[in-house]
Amino acid sequence: DTGVSQDPRHKITKRGQNVTFRCDPISEHNRLYWYRQTLGQGPEFLTYFQNEAQLEKSRLLSDRFSAERPKGSFSTLEIQRTEQGDSAMYLCASSLANGIGELFFGEGSRLTVL
Amino acid sequence: GESVGLHLPTLSVQEGDNSIINCAYSNSASDYFIWYKQESGKGPQFIIDIRSNMDKRQGQRVTVLLNKTVKHLSLQIAATQPGDSAVYFCAERDDKIIFGKGTRLHILP
Repeated sequence: DTGVSQDPRHKITKRGQNVTFRCDPISEHNRLYWYRQTLGQGPEFLTYFQNEAQLEKSRLLSDRFSAERPKGSFSTLEIQRTEQGDSAMYLCASSLANGIGELFFGEGSRLTVL
Repeated sequence: GESVGLHLPTLSVQEGDNSIINCAYSNSASDYFIWYKQESGKGPQFIIDIRSNMDKRQGQRVTVLLNKTVKHLSLQIAATQPGDSAVYFCAERDDKIIFGKGTRLHILP
C-alpha cells in the first residue's frame, strides 16, 4: 500500500499522559499536514511541513503539541499532558508542493483521553 | 477571513435521484476549491476540484459549480447510489486546506 499511513489507529490514554502519533506520507510528497477532527466537524488545520521545515502552525496548536519531520519523510505529532479536550481524530495528509491538487489523507489516529 | 461553510448539515436523497450539496465561502480572494468525501472511520477522499477561472467542472457522475458573484459552490451527484452515503466537505486551498463543517448525505432506498 503506497498511501498515507498513520500509527496507531486508536489510542486510549489517561489525562496527563503523553502520546505520540506517527505519519508516513506518500514517498514522493514533500508536503505533510496534520489536522484534527472532532465529531460532526470538519478537519481543522494544525500544522504543515515542506520537507523538514515546519512552515505554519495554527493557533489551535498549543504549546503542549509538537510536530516534527526530522528527515523530511515521516512525521510525529506529540501531545504532552493530555487533556480530555484533546480527544479527537488526528489526520495526516501529504501532497506535492505545487499549491494545487489534492491532499491525500491517511485513515487517522483516534485519541481518547479518559 | 477564512471561512468555508455548508448550508445544511444533513441531506436525504432517494436512491437514483440527483443530489445537490451547497457551500458558501467568505474569502473572495480564494481561487481554488475542492470537494471531499469522508466515509465513517476513514480520512477525507478527494472528489473534484475547481479553480476560480472556471464556473463548472465535471467528473464521473459529479459536477461542481462555482458562482463567484455570490461566493457559492455546489456539488451535484448524478444518480445517487448507496455508496455515496458519506459526509461531504467543501474546502478552499492555498498552502493548506480549510474545510467547512460538512453535509451528511443519506441515501433512502
